[in-house]
Amino acid sequence: AQKVTQAQTEISVVEKEDVTLDCVYETRDTTYYLFWYKQPPSGELVFLIRRNSFDEQNEISGRYSWNFQKSTSSFNFTITASQVVDSAVYFCALSGRRITITEKLVFGKGTKLTVNP
Amino acid sequence: NAGVTQTPKFRVLKTGQSMTLLCAQDMNHEYMYWYRQDPGMGLRLIHYSVGEGTTAKGEVPDGYNVSRLKKQNFLLGLESAAPSQTSVYFCASRRGRELFFGEGSRLTVL
Repeated sequence: AQKVTQAQTEISVVEKEDVTLDCVYETRDTTYYLFWYKQPPSGELVFLIRRNSFDEQNEISGRYSWNFQKSTSSFNFTITASQVVDSAVYFCALSGRRITITEKLVFGKGTKLTVNP
Repeated sequence: NAGVTQTPKFRVLKTGQSMTLLCAQDMNHEYMYWYRQDPGMGLRLIHYSVGEGTTAKGEVPDGYNVSRLKKQNFLLGLESAAPSQTSVYFCASRRGRELFFGEGSRLTVL
């Protein structure tokens, strides 16, 4: 069975602090995909990143960076120099290898990040 | 290019009433999904469809029905609404590995 665990339910930081959101996953597939989504207070779900299991290279996009480590089954998300606009709920998700009728995206329960001015 | 559109955005129902949520996508995607989002539970898959005329159950299908009569539309029905179905509902369509979400529909069952 596939499972995504985001142990941090809520995090509160002060603006300009760095913050890391943890994501640990479980899967028996050797090929799989990991995602991060952002849900701001307005409610929509915004796609941030997709990473496949063969690519362990870390990725940086502006103030956002992702650290993928297969050895620990983790796909952590770091925001550098956080801003108030980063306040949102962040979801980590996992997709298996096969795109079949049973294919589905499994979400973690989310981490609510509050960045205070 | 509207992407994924959900209607209605908000709805209040009384217990036992029925209603249908409509999801429309203009990207010609085969795969469509209905999720519900509840506090502390993340997103849970209700039903999904891999193409016109085909639907399948997800993690929490009880109390819901779906139909995919047209490729661009995926309907989620509640035949007899219950307070436990108070939630925010998200529709999504998929291209490859990327999900495109609608803006959500907030449903309250009194």
